[in-house]
Amino acid sequence: DTGVSQNPRHKITKRGQNVTFRCDPISEHNRLYWYRQTLGQGPEFLTYFQNEAQLEKSRLLSDRFSAERPKGSFSTLEIQRTEQGDSAMYLCASSTDRGYNQPQHFGDGTRLSIL
Amino acid sequence: QKEVEQDPGPLSVPEGAIVSLNCTYSNSAFQYFMWYRQYSRKGPELLMYTYSSGNKEDGRFTAQVDKSSKYISLFIRDSQPSDSATYLCAMTRDDKIIFGKGTRLHILP
Repeated sequence: DTGVSQNPRHKITKRGQNVTFRCDPISEHNRLYWYRQTLGQGPEFLTYFQNEAQLEKSRLLSDRFSAERPKGSFSTLEIQRTEQGDSAMYLCASSTDRGYNQPQHFGDGTRLSIL
Repeated sequence: QKEVEQDPGPLSVPEGAIVSLNCTYSNSAFQYFMWYRQYSRKGPELLMYTYSSGNKEDGRFTAQVDKSSKYISLFIRDSQPSDSATYLCAMTRDDKIIFGKGTRLHILP
């Protein structure tokens, strides 16, 4: 049973550039979540998918952020025109859809550093 | 007031001691309660997952939920240096997880 996989593990970019992260969930999991974690804080919810449908987006997800899950398998999170405040760990989690509030299993995240 | 309050620590205890970690919450709508362990530069790892008030045990770990007081705890028995990590309490509402800030735990050999 492979876990949630995220790539790249670390991304360094200049302010104003666009970045894209990828998440591959556990294979039988239909739900996929994105969270953001800054230093000294717990992860904060950004958005989630049920198969390919994006069901909810947090107010934290500004217009510069977009997430997709085109075939209900892997997902991408893109940040356009990056800003210093975007520096954080971006975490992906997945769960089954057999009922609500199923336990979520996390990947090791993509650490974004904005120069 | 934040929905979930957790003392960030750090908490340092000698090896072999019993560790007690706690969180309080304000929203009665929370349905499931969890504890995650997070090592440096890694993602959170699910340790305990529970719904009802009371205790749930798994090896050296015991999770306790008191819904009437809106208080949850995690106890670690016979603590080991490998338990040194950040412990995040978490609660679900509408399929989203709300996390505490995490408590940094150091087990001293």
